[in-house]
Amino acid sequence: SQQGEEDPQALSIQEGENATMNCSYKTSINNLQWYRQNSGRGLVHLILIRSNEREKHSGRLRVTLDTSKKSSSLLITASRAADTASYFCATGGSGNTPLVFGKGTRLSVIA
Amino acid sequence: GAGVSQSPRYKVAKRGQDVALRCDPISGHVSLFWYQQALGQGPEFLTYFQNEAQLDKSGLPSDRFFAERPEGSVSTLKIQRTQQEDSAVYLCASSLGSLANEKLFFGSGTQLSVL
Repeated sequence: SQQGEEDPQALSIQEGENATMNCSYKTSINNLQWYRQNSGRGLVHLILIRSNEREKHSGRLRVTLDTSKKSSSLLITASRAADTASYFCATGGSGNTPLVFGKGTRLSVIA
Repeated sequence: GAGVSQSPRYKVAKRGQDVALRCDPISGHVSLFWYQQALGQGPEFLTYFQNEAQLDKSGLPSDRFFAERPEGSVSTLKIQRTQQEDSAVYLCASSLGSLANEKLFFGSGTQLSVL
């Protein structure tokens, strides 16, 4: 079963535009992580935000977390064609429970 | 090695055959995970090892699925009497520490097709 649910399912933008993806989840978490997956490849970790953090930055990535709304967003600024991939959020629960992934957002950046 | 290595990259099996999928985690990583990813879906948890101990196998879909990590390094996921619904990409991941919710490093996966 998947806890996180990304929105939108698919997103198509022009190069240089910003891309925003959202993730909602149901139960309390210890942390929330975002991963990228290029077609036919494994997932690559992008960023981890802990439940006591509200915002985190890494290069062109900005992640926010609102635990009261049980939601997170991933913003990619000044997108590039190379950002074309599927993006997944994954929630890490309290206790020693493994990450639960959402269904992902498919991002297409058109040059 | 530099990353998580999985073999084979592709596997085609006839229904009823047994298959074995191998995972070489990053050297020194304590935890190892197996996930199953259906087409167009996110990864679904199968099982988790801390060194050689299998701490959680709650995601294994049936008793036809078996995983081991006998020396706390390489892991094998075995599927007996494969069925068409077993067709998916099987992803292996490892993490440095012992907790199950840390940053994961993934392999490229084994794409299993059961005919």
